[in-house]
Amino acid sequence: GQQLNQSPQSMFIQEGEDVSMNCTSSSIFNTWLWYKQEPGEGPVLLIALYKAGELTSNGRLTAQFGITRKDSFLNISASIPSDVGIYFCAGPLRGSQGNLIFGKGTKLSVKP
Amino acid sequence: EPEVTQTPSHQVTQMGQEVILRCVPISNHLYFYWYRQILGQKVEFLVSFYNNEISEKSEIFDDQFSVERPDGSNFTLKIRSTKLEDSAMYFCASTREVDEQFFGPGTRLTVL
Repeated sequence: GQQLNQSPQSMFIQEGEDVSMNCTSSSIFNTWLWYKQEPGEGPVLLIALYKAGELTSNGRLTAQFGITRKDSFLNISASIPSDVGIYFCAGPLRGSQGNLIFGKGTKLSVKP
Repeated sequence: EPEVTQTPSHQVTQMGQEVILRCVPISNHLYFYWYRQILGQKVEFLVSFYNNEISEKSEIFDDQFSVERPDGSNFTLKIRSTKLEDSAMYFCASTREVDEQFFGPGTRLTVL
């Protein structure tokens, strides 16, 4: 079945550093979504990507929809302590009405 | 900014008891979803609901689960006879355009 593989599993960085994480699949996705989840909270939508090759920014966050439609990356520039959380990529199951498949997440820790 | 709300934030119940988790989706959204997240794991799709009926459900969503939209604002998930393995965070999500889903803060269900 369709699966999303995220890497790295976790990251420990210094405040101010840039961060890059990615998400890959053996299947094609027509939409890529990036969510952030903080402890005890629900996932918060950060960026939605709809076209192969699309590059979209949201403040310090930038995400790209891979040309092959089988991958996406998320970059965070100049990280700050409040960037701490788990970042999930997600995409709709093929043929579904938007049922999202999630990756296992990248846990980001930022040291002040 | 409109948001998805969920109640209660935490529900503790005895095994075999029925629980009802409640959600108020964003008011002009048309598609509604329930997901669950077992502690430390990824978010998993349970069921989608559109036009007052279930669109799709996962293999997790067995006969013990049901959903309802009893009025124009609430969307509920009922678990008829809870099991220990039902302990998880349950997230409601809604969207107007299928893919870009907005999640609620979740209900933490603890089955003893």
